[in-house]
Amino acid sequence: DAKTTQPPSMDCAEGRAANLPCNHSTISGNEYVYWYRQIHSQGPQYIIHGLKNNETNEMASLIITEDRKSSTLILPHATLRDTAVYYCIVPLANSKLTFGKGITLSVRP
Amino acid sequence: NAGVTQTPKFQVLKTGQSMTLQCAQDMNHNSMYWYRQDPGMGLRLIYYSASEGTTDKGEVPNGYNVSRLNKREFSLRLESAAPSQTSVYFCASSEYWGGSNEKLFFGSGTQLSVL
Repeated sequence: DAKTTQPPSMDCAEGRAANLPCNHSTISGNEYVYWYRQIHSQGPQYIIHGLKNNETNEMASLIITEDRKSSTLILPHATLRDTAVYYCIVPLANSKLTFGKGITLSVRP
Repeated sequence: NAGVTQTPKFQVLKTGQSMTLQCAQDMNHNSMYWYRQDPGMGLRLIYYSASEGTTDKGEVPNGYNVSRLNKREFSLRLESAAPSQTSVYFCASSEYWGGSNEKLFFGSGTQLSVL
């Protein structure tokens, strides 16, 4: 897998947007960027993924820079239930997803 | 719509005991995976099954065996449990194996303690 780098933690206020950064400077042209999250004690949950265009779904938006070396996951209106560990992953084709330590997002009231 | 179901949710074993963790998915997925997660760590892949009838080692296979019983079910067996195997175990599935455009669906985990 292409290496990803995430800060260990961040926080945001409830109702505000949470912007979670990820660096993946060694990404190749055909590699996707995935985001998963893990709420305490639960199994990881798929959030979103993208190749080079920005993506949006009911959970979040994914902004990928033009050079694809970094991306930002945006939770537009964070709630307390969004407190979790968020994993940014870039898997190679024919390779298994590798989960690092992720970024711990704390949403404060 | 159950998704990925794991049993049991909790288990306590004594060193040397054996047990099997069960996993079933109802999404007609071809590929299934077993991960373990230790405190403060990311998930590490133990074994995976790219398709029915095949299994392969992941990052940390020692001390474990797996069986892909059919398309739905993928079990993980500890033949002689050791305290180092105390962990939370997650089963996952995906439609296909290894594609860069594939997403995984996870079960809720089994918390295993080996005394």
